[in-house]
This record gives sequence, C-alpha cells and structure tokens, in this order.
Amino acid sequence: NAGVTQTPKFQVLKTGQSMTLQCAQDMNHNSMYWYRQDPGMGLRLIYYSASEGTTDKGEVPNGYNVSRLNKREFSLRLESAAPSQTSVYFCASRLAKGEQYFGPGTRLTVT
Amino acid sequence: QKEVEQDPGPLSVPEGAIVSLNCTYSNSAFQYFMWYRQYSRKGPELLMYTYSSGNKEDGRFTAQVDKSSKYISLFIRDSQPSDSATYLCAIHQGGSEKLVFGKGTKLTVNP
Repeated sequence: NAGVTQTPKFQVLKTGQSMTLQCAQDMNHNSMYWYRQDPGMGLRLIYYSASEGTTDKGEVPNGYNVSRLNKREFSLRLESAAPSQTSVYFCASRLAKGEQYFGPGTRLTVT
Repeated sequence: QKEVEQDPGPLSVPEGAIVSLNCTYSNSAFQYFMWYRQYSRKGPELLMYTYSSGNKEDGRFTAQVDKSSKYISLFIRDSQPSDSATYLCAIHQGGSEKLVFGKGTKLTVNP
C-alpha cells in the first residue's frame, strides 16, 4: 500500500518549457488535490477534483491545468513555466471526511 | 480576518519539555480539526484528527479543541529531538471539499 505517490521528485525547467506532474493514489479515495508550498505562504490549493471527471479551481490556479485521468490519477500541467512557479508541489487525496493524505512532493525550479 | 491563524514560531525547546502549539479560527461552521507534522523536505503527515470539543490523546500527543473560543491546540509531552518538524493545523467544514491550513509552526527540540 503506497498511499499517494508523485513523480518526478525533482525537476528543473527553463522559462517557457512545459511539464506534467503525475500523482496516483491507491486508497480508493474520491477527492484529489494539488497544492504548492512556498516559504512564508503555507500550503495553497491550486486545483482539486471531487470525483472522477470533475475538476475545480482552488486559490492559485493561474498558469496550471489539471486532468483527472481516472479515480487513481490526477495530473498537474504547466504549459509555459515561469520563475514564479518555482515551488514544492504536493498532491493529496481524501476519502469522505476532512482528512487529507499527502504525497512526498515534487521540487520544481524554473530558471 | 484570516480563516486560520497560527503562530509561525520558530519554537525551540529542550528535550523532555512540554510543547504547546496553537491555532485560532474565525468560522464557527468548521467541524473537523487536524494536525499535520511535516519533516524537512517531506510531505505533511496526518498526526491527529478530531471533530468535537475536548481532548483527544494519542501517546505523547494531545489535541484539544475549544469550539466556544475557536481555538485548537496540540500538546507534545516529553518532547524528543525526533519531534523537530513543522506542525500545521488544518480545519474542515463539513460538506466542503477544502481544508483550510495554518501556515505552520517550526519546532526544534534540542538534545
């Protein structure tokens, strides 16, 4: 039982490049989330998916797109990376009550 | 007024001390209360979950909720160097998809 997994663990991009961050969970959870974490800013919600086939914007969605591929997988895409998107990205999932379970994170640097 | 306020610290204590971490919140509709522990360069890990006023104990950890004062606390007894981490409070309103996080308190327990 791996919980929530994320790939890659680290990534360096040049400004304007694109990439997709992958997330998968094996806990049969309905809801999945993408956060970014920056020093002094805490965790900020980018997008979430309450169920397979639905996605909604969070607090900071600009510059990102998401896909809920199936119940297990939720990907985050940066179409044209900017230095302001340098951050640590966390995926999380939730079953029915409030508690969320987080992945190990992806450290992204945009130069 | 922010939905959740958490003193960022940092907090430095000697090994064996009792640690008190606190958050206040503004929305009386919040029902579920969580504490996460985040080690450096790792994802947040769910530590405690409670949904009622009063105390919930798990080993050296006690979560306390006072809904009348909109105040939640996490107490760590006999603190250990391995408790050194950032602790985030998180609050959930029933029926909502989202968690509201505090910005985290960085704790260092010195041997």
